[in-house]
Amino acid sequence: GESVGLHLPTLSVQEGDNSIINCAYSNSASDYFIWYKQESGKGPQFIIDIRSNMDKRQGQRVTVLLNKTVKHLSLQIAATQPGDSAVYFCAEGRLQGGKLIFGQGTELSVKP
Amino acid sequence: EPEVTQTPSHQVTQMGQEVILRCVPISNHLYFYWYRQILGQKVEFLVSFYNNEISEKSEIFDDQFSVERPDGSNFTLKIRSTKLEDSAMYFCASSRDTDEKLFFGSGTQLSVL
Repeated sequence: GESVGLHLPTLSVQEGDNSIINCAYSNSASDYFIWYKQESGKGPQFIIDIRSNMDKRQGQRVTVLLNKTVKHLSLQIAATQPGDSAVYFCAEGRLQGGKLIFGQGTELSVKP
Repeated sequence: EPEVTQTPSHQVTQMGQEVILRCVPISNHLYFYWYRQILGQKVEFLVSFYNNEISEKSEIFDDQFSVERPDGSNFTLKIRSTKLEDSAMYFCASSRDTDEKLFFGSGTQLSVL
């Protein structure tokens, strides 16, 4: 039968641990990738982005890794905090295109 | 920090009615977007808008949908005759340029009864 909605992958971590959220993107022509965080009832909030001429980029407590060979993107969150609990979406696009294609999301749950 | 604002936060309408969702993008941004998210699903692109015209639209954005920038600050999404399946959270977003990050509003939850 028809599914009502997607069952999001979930990741449960202990406060203080590091989290790794993975994403497979689909279009080999994509050259711009973003991670967004979405809390319940809110819009996507920018975390970090990376262009295809890089394979790693670091922000405050977050690192994004890009593997173009296997079309894989990951988000690493250091010292995860309860406030990091949310759904995390990767998105891909073209630098001159503007439009983003979102992945299905991963729900991160941080246990105190 | 500047933000994208959307009104209303919730909109309930009867099937077949017209709705207009409103957005005020960040003031120095030139590119505007509408996305939607059906409950429990991923965020889907609807349309992008630049220089007073549509740049790109998805298959979802059919003849029932239209966008407009009626003045220097507002950006609207109109659904002419709503269907049950239009029920979703609608997000407006804006960016300064196509190679810069999108800032999203908090969304309008549209419920079609």
